[in-house]
Amino acid sequence: EVQLVESGGGVVAPGGSLRLSCAASGFTFTNFYMNWVRQAPGKGLEWVSSISSRGNYIFYAESVQGRFTISRDNADDSLFLQMDSLRADDTGLYYCARAPFNYYGPDAFDLWGQGTMVSVSS
Amino acid sequence: VLTQSPDTLSLSPGERATLSCRASQSFSRDTLAWYQQKHGQAPRLLIYGASTRATGIPDRFSGSGSGTHFTLTISRLEPEDFAVYYCQQYGTSPRTFGQGTKVEIK
Repeated sequence: EVQLVESGGGVVAPGGSLRLSCAASGFTFTNFYMNWVRQAPGKGLEWVSSISSRGNYIFYAESVQGRFTISRDNADDSLFLQMDSLRADDTGLYYCARAPFNYYGPDAFDLWGQGTMVSVSS
Repeated sequence: VLTQSPDTLSLSPGERATLSCRASQSFSRDTLAWYQQKHGQAPRLLIYGASTRATGIPDRFSGSGSGTHFTLTISRLEPEDFAVYYCQQYGTSPRTFGQGTKVEIK
């Protein structure tokens, strides 16, 4: 089955760290850019970070630059998000999503996981 | 920045829905997507390249526009279409989303 499954969410105090994982299955992982998108409770979607198929191109939203690190393990079909110096406004449901790519770059996000919840609270 | 309008659209099943997405600057390519998100579910890709339906998306969904103004049209609303819709530009970083339009039952 083609799917993405996130894990690693939880409750953490402000200033703490969490490492999210996303396990891909049913497709050729190296054919896709991978992305993290988050959604605060009752709010809209916010793009967080993207990584190219080989991990050589990485992009971050300004709100997480310098605190979050995206990475991938192509041997294990896995995507990661290391989140440090967490703040209350990082609270939300974190989705991983894949994006095909072509000569021009990554395309739209055509497969999403169900998300893992992160709550930053004292 | 992507600005969607209206914030909420109140319509009845069978009616036509027209959702707007305006960009603060023009895209060099039509790298604009539309997603549907139902309550408690992950988003689902509907349209990419401004006007191409994703796999399995019914033809009552259509996308149009270019440059700075894009539109998602649902020709005849089905009960399962009442949801929140987001536009996204994915051609450059940051791959921003609009704030969403909620299509609710009137």
